[in-house]
Amino acid sequence: EVQLLDSGGGLGQPGGSLRLSCAASGFTFSSYAMSWVRQAPEKGLEWVSGISGSGGTTYYADSVKGRFTISRDNSKNTLYLRMNSLRAEDTAVYYCGKGGLARPNSSWLDYWGQGTLVTVSS
Amino acid sequence: QSVLTQPPSASGTPGQRVTISCSGSSSNIGGNTVNWYQQLPGTAPKLLIYSNNERPSGVPDRFSGSKSGTSASLAITGLQSEDEADYYCAAWDDSLNAVVFGGGTKLTVL
Repeated sequence: EVQLLDSGGGLGQPGGSLRLSCAASGFTFSSYAMSWVRQAPEKGLEWVSGISGSGGTTYYADSVKGRFTISRDNSKNTLYLRMNSLRAEDTAVYYCGKGGLARPNSSWLDYWGQGTLVTVSS
Repeated sequence: QSVLTQPPSASGTPGQRVTISCSGSSSNIGGNTVNWYQQLPGTAPKLLIYSNNERPSGVPDRFSGSKSGTSASLAITGLQSEDEADYYCAAWDDSLNAVVFGGGTKLTVL
């Protein structure tokens, strides 16, 4: 059974940093792309970043480019999102998603984590 | 303003057929496959349709997807109360080098 467990959310200061994690199990982690998708309170879904199965290819939404870094440790079956220079508008529930393919340039996410809430406020 | 355009709301009575549209452009829907997600209140999104018209195992055949040119549609037949949820379309955008979502459609079962 595929399971994705998001963690690391909490209160972050404007200009500060947080690191999110997504622990994966139930599939060959290195064979699939992974993504982060966020949802601000009472808003729709917004894709944040994607990474290939090998970790060699990454993509970012313009809204986070230069501030967020996606990475993965295939030996630990874990996906990460390093969030720097946090802004109030980064406040959202962050979901990790398992890609249906090895390549990250696809909107096919067949499994999702439960989400972790990030609140950016002083 | 979302790159993919969906109606903000849709509604139907039990047993009815409802369709939700998703309009894009040549850089997203026109050149890439469309996926649909269902988000029940208070839960994480769930894949409903992938590759334009494929259903993951466990998704009832009441749900179907189609794509034509730069638009896509989700159809739900035999509407049930448990179908009340938010529905999102998504596609890769070759110009933005990003996944783009529609703004979401809130489906109400009357």
